[in-house]
Amino acid sequence: AQKVTQAQTEISVVEKEDVTLDCVYETRDTTYYLFWYKQPPSGELVFLIRRNSFDEQNEISGRYSWNFQKSTSSFNFTITASQVVDSAVYFCALDRGSTLGRLYFGRGTQLTVWP
Amino acid sequence: DGGITQSPKYLFRKEGQNVTLSCEQNLNHDAMYWYRQDPGQGLRLIYYSQIVNDFQKGDIAEGYSVSREKKESFPLTVTSAQKNPTAFYLCASTWDIRQDSNQPQHFGDGTRLSIL
Repeated sequence: AQKVTQAQTEISVVEKEDVTLDCVYETRDTTYYLFWYKQPPSGELVFLIRRNSFDEQNEISGRYSWNFQKSTSSFNFTITASQVVDSAVYFCALDRGSTLGRLYFGRGTQLTVWP
Repeated sequence: DGGITQSPKYLFRKEGQNVTLSCEQNLNHDAMYWYRQDPGQGLRLIYYSQIVNDFQKGDIAEGYSVSREKKESFPLTVTSAQKNPTAFYLCASTWDIRQDSNQPQHFGDGTRLSIL
């Protein structure tokens, strides 16, 4: 069975602090895709990043970075020098890579950045 | 601009009533999805459709129905059989997942459904 666990329900930080959001997944598939989405208070989901199971190279994009480790089934997300606008719910999701294209979501982590 | 439009933004349902949530996309995407979000929960898949006139049940399809008569439209009906319909509903779409299941799903702004 597919499962995505985001153990951190809520995180609060002060502006300019670094913050890491954890994501642990379970799947028996050898080919799969991992995603991070951001949900601001307005409600829509904004795509942040996609990683496939064959690419463990970590990525940095501006203030965002991602650490994918198959050995620990983790796909963690770090925001450097956080800003108030980063306040949102962040979801980690898994796509099995089959033709179904359906996503399995974690419960999300509410990040609040205080000025 | 291309995107996904969900309407209405807020919807109230009376007991025993069926209501329909609209989802329209002009991205020329092949696949469309409906998710339900409850407070403190992740998104759960209700129904999805890969092509016109075809759709499949997701994890929580009971009490819901859909149709896919046009590529750009995928309405969701919440029937009276759904005893706990209060939730936030999100529609999503993506390119042909049979060609590239790697594509991220694009989401609409959501519809918040409540019981009167």
